[in-house]
Amino acid sequence: NAGVTQTPKFQVLKTGQSMTLQCAQDMNHEYMSWYRQDPGMGLRLIHYSVGAGITDQGEVPNGYNVSRSTTEDFPLRLLSAAPSQTSVYFCASSYFPGQGATEAFFGQGTRLTVV
Amino acid sequence: SQQGEEDPQALSIQEGENATMNCSYKTSINNLQWYRQNSGRGLVHLILIRSNEREKHSGRLRVTLDTSKKSSSLLITASRAADTASYFCATDAAGNMLTFGGGTRLMVKP
Repeated sequence: NAGVTQTPKFQVLKTGQSMTLQCAQDMNHEYMSWYRQDPGMGLRLIHYSVGAGITDQGEVPNGYNVSRSTTEDFPLRLLSAAPSQTSVYFCASSYFPGQGATEAFFGQGTRLTVV
Repeated sequence: SQQGEEDPQALSIQEGENATMNCSYKTSINNLQWYRQNSGRGLVHLILIRSNEREKHSGRLRVTLDTSKKSSSLLITASRAADTASYFCATDAAGNMLTFGGGTRLMVKP
């Protein structure tokens, strides 16, 4: 049972380049989300999905796109990278058994630097 | 803006002492969760307390929730050097995704 797997672990991009951060989970969780964590700060929600085919924006969605074609995968696309997107990105997944979310499982993160 | 705010931002204690971290939030919640993050790693879930609960225990962890004050506290008893990490509270307000606070950086000195 791998849990939540993120690739790549590290990435350096030039300003204006695009890329996709991959996230996969093998726990059959309905809910998946992407967060970014800047130095010394907490996590800010970028986008989330409540199931295949359904996505929604979080607190800081600008510059990012997501799609959810399967339950397992939730890729995050940077359309045109900017230095302000230098951060550590975390993907998370959880069940949703009715009222309130259960614990979230996190990937190990992708450390992205935009130069 | 973030829903939860932890206090203190940093805490340094000796091994064996207790560590208390506080979290305040702004809106009504379904539940509140505490997570731990070791340096450079992903977050790991520690404990969840629902809005109708006041206190919960898990091993050396004790969490309290006061919905009237919109606050929670995490107590780690008999701390160990291995407890050194950042601790985050996260609130589930809309029944969807979690909103995280800025975290408390805990250092436990041997």
